[in-house]
Amino acid sequence: EVLLVESGGGLVQPGGSLRLSCAASGFTFSSYTISWVRQAPGKGLEWVSAISASGGGTTYADSVKGRFTISRDNSKNTLYLQMNSLRAEDTAVYYCAKASSPSSFDFDYWGQGTLVTVS
Amino acid sequence: DIQMTQSPSTLSASVGDRVTITCRASQSISNWLAWYQQKPGRAPKVLIYKASSLQSGVPSRFSGSGSGTEFTLTISSLQPDDFATYYCQQYKTYLRTFGQGTKVEIK
Repeated sequence: EVLLVESGGGLVQPGGSLRLSCAASGFTFSSYTISWVRQAPGKGLEWVSAISASGGGTTYADSVKGRFTISRDNSKNTLYLQMNSLRAEDTAVYYCAKASSPSSFDFDYWGQGTLVTVS
Repeated sequence: DIQMTQSPSTLSASVGDRVTITCRASQSISNWLAWYQQKPGRAPKVLIYKASSLQSGVPSRFSGSGSGTEFTLTISSLQPDDFATYYCQQYKTYLRTFGQGTKVEIK
């Protein structure tokens, strides 16, 4: 069974930092691109960042570029999101999501999410 | 970036109704489109990928169609479990983008 479990969310002041983690199991983690997708309270879904299977390629939404850094440790089956210079508008539930195939940009499994509140 | 526009934003329907949600892309995305269902407090769940392929385990009352810039998600006979918010997502480019969502409410 594929499982993605996020952690690390919490309350942080504007300008602060937070590091999210996503522990994966049930599939060959090192073969898939993984993304972070967020959802502000009462709002829609926003893709935030993605990292290639090897970790050598990363992409970011314009809204977080230069402030957030995605990384992964394939030996630990874990994805990370380092969030710096946080703003009120970064308040959201953050989900990690697995690509449906090694070369695809859609998502077939999602974690349960972790809430980040910037206030 | 490719913009995705869903309509309607809210839809009121009854159990047994046929429901159609539309998603339009700001430029052609071929068939690189997925549909997700999300219930309150839960993570999204994929229903359809590549515009018309049904994800394993998803009931056959869900179907998707379209290509290029216009797509539809159809629920052939709405069930109580289907009241939720639905999102389309394009994945032609690495800058994945979602529609704003369509909430299906009980009439």
